[in-house]
Amino acid sequence: SQKIEQNSEALNIQEGKTATLTCNYTNYSPAYLQWYRQDPGRGPVFLLLIRENEKEKRKERLKVTFDTTLKQSLFHITASQPADSATYLCALDLSLEAQGGKLIFGQGTELSVKP
Amino acid sequence: DTEVTQTPKHLVMGMTNKKSLKCEQHMGHRAMYWYKQKAKKPPELMFVYSYEKLSINESVPSRFSPECPNSSLLNLHLHALQPEDSALYLCASSQEFGTYEQYFGPGTRLTVT
Repeated sequence: SQKIEQNSEALNIQEGKTATLTCNYTNYSPAYLQWYRQDPGRGPVFLLLIRENEKEKRKERLKVTFDTTLKQSLFHITASQPADSATYLCALDLSLEAQGGKLIFGQGTELSVKP
Repeated sequence: DTEVTQTPKHLVMGMTNKKSLKCEQHMGHRAMYWYKQKAKKPPELMFVYSYEKLSINESVPSRFSPECPNSSLLNLHLHALQPEDSALYLCASSQEFGTYEQYFGPGTRLTVT
């Protein structure tokens, strides 16, 4: 069956450290993968998109990798700050499958950065 | 303007009421989406409109009725809802349906009593 799993429901780290979040998937063939941030009671906010032929993408303190062999994406936040505390969602597109450009979201990882 | 707006922010309705949720974007996006999100769960796609035509209906019960009056507006008409329909309803838009990031609105918190 098709599945998207994010490494843990919650991740606690100390300010200044690097947070690493994992997104694994099975029985999907995504053309690209996206990461979103969601704060409580708010809509998700787009962070980064990485395509299947890209290994790595960076934006300021954010870095995402995409390994289609391992069927895994890693999302890193370097020099983390308490303001980075939020739920982070990975999302796969289904454009290479029969379902067009739908996004399927993982269940999210709640990151808490302590001062 | 990279904003998607949704009204109302909160809505409480009885099971016999009829209400509508509204969504608006002025980014020239041609794809618009409705998602439903329960607490501690990811957003689940309900409907996709592409160029003002309904492209995807994820087998949503007919008590939810979407409408796209023009390229900037998206409505979700609600009728005879059940308490289990209580959730955060999110609208999103993207440049086209496909390989593009989605811009989400703040959502409407719906409570069905």
